[in-house]
Amino acid sequence: NFMLTQPHSVSESPGKTVTISCTRSSGSIASNYVQWYQQRPGSAPTTVIYEDNQRPSGVPDRFSGSIDSSSNSASLTISGLKTEDEADYYCQSYDSSNPWVFGGGTKLTVL
Amino acid sequence: EVQLVESGGGLVKPGGSLRLSCAASGFTFSNAWMSWVRQAPGKGLEWVGRIKSKTDGGTTDYAAPVKGRFTISRDDSKNTLYLQMNSLKTEDTAVYYCLATTVVAGGLIDYWGQGTLVTVSS
Repeated sequence: NFMLTQPHSVSESPGKTVTISCTRSSGSIASNYVQWYQQRPGSAPTTVIYEDNQRPSGVPDRFSGSIDSSSNSASLTISGLKTEDEADYYCQSYDSSNPWVFGGGTKLTVL
Repeated sequence: EVQLVESGGGLVKPGGSLRLSCAASGFTFSNAWMSWVRQAPGKGLEWVGRIKSKTDGGTTDYAAPVKGRFTISRDDSKNTLYLQMNSLKTEDTAVYYCLATTVVAGGLIDYWGQGTLVTVSS
């Protein structure tokens, strides 16, 4: 089994750019797609990035995803931060033995 | 528009059973792989299990904590997903979300329901 490790929390000011990392403990990050979910307080999660770097319709282009094989990690970058971006963010991936693995989640504070 | 509406949550005693339902619309349900994910109060997301589409075999997979106690099924004629939960434990207390993984514009996207709360307590 592999794990996905995220920072517990990050904070940044409105208008700035923030990056949330998601490091895979074993196996290549590039071998299986990574998804990112946003969960605003009191709401259900929604998908903001799928297949490493794709945005569903309706997600602003301020959200972008990438992977870095050298650090075996994925990243979610949010530019032009807005107060409405304040939420918990979860990464997710899989392999042939583990259909769904979630990261522990990162609380983003926009202050 | 994709819609997933869960129902069936509530208060149940330890050792009891509960069946959750998820009514789907806005996409071709029979082609989608469907999953359940839960979130205990104040905690992160935890995958519960999934069922593949019938064309992909219709097989199920479960997370270790629920294997042997929970059963996922689907009724493609009713566009409905089910989660039968038996031998419930207090640690099963969580909001349960239904997810649809479906192809959109050549890619696989996960859509989430609004969740239903299950409380296991005496």
